[in-house]
Amino acid sequence: AQKVTQAQTEISVVEKEDVTLDCVYETRDTTYYLFWYKQPPSGELVFLIRRNSFDEQNEISGRYSWNFQKSTSSFNFTITASQVVDSAVYFCALGNTGFQKLVFGTGTRLLVSP
Amino acid sequence: DTGVSQDPRHKITKRGQNVTFRCDPISEHNRLYWYRQTLGQGPEFLTYFQNEAQLEKSRLLSDRFSAERPKGSFSTLEIQRTEQGDSAMYLCASSLGSLGISNTGELFFGEGSRLTVL
Repeated sequence: AQKVTQAQTEISVVEKEDVTLDCVYETRDTTYYLFWYKQPPSGELVFLIRRNSFDEQNEISGRYSWNFQKSTSSFNFTITASQVVDSAVYFCALGNTGFQKLVFGTGTRLLVSP
Repeated sequence: DTGVSQDPRHKITKRGQNVTFRCDPISEHNRLYWYRQTLGQGPEFLTYFQNEAQLEKSRLLSDRFSAERPKGSFSTLEIQRTEQGDSAMYLCASSLGSLGISNTGELFFGEGSRLTVL
């Protein structure tokens, strides 16, 4: 069975602080895909990144970076110099090949105060 | 707006009534998904369509739930004899093709239809 755990329910930071959102996953598949989605107050889930299981390179996109470690089954997300607009719920998700059923974690609510 | 649209955005109904939600995916997307999200939880997969064919249904989808995508374009999700436990946000998403090396696998989500059953 596939499972995604986001142990941090809510994180509060002050603007410009760095923050890391943790994600731990479980799967028996040898090929799988990991995702991060952002859900702002409007409710629409916004795709941030996808990572393939066979590509452990870390990725940086502006203030966002992702650390994929297969050895610890983790796919953590760091926001550098956080901004108020980063306030949202962030979901980590796990998918397999084929029809793209995604298994989501319970999400981490990030509150960035000015 | 060329994104995924869902209607209605909010629905309040009494227990026992039937409700129907509509989803219009991005036009060129052949895959359409329904997810359900309850407060404080992540979205849970309900069902998915490849064009007009419903290829997978979750065990979460009881007999009271039915989904259709008659012409491979828009989709409807109907809940019959609603129960208070059906209160949730129903999310629709669409994508192009299957998850694979050459496809980002991105699901494009709508803003959801929030159902409240009194």
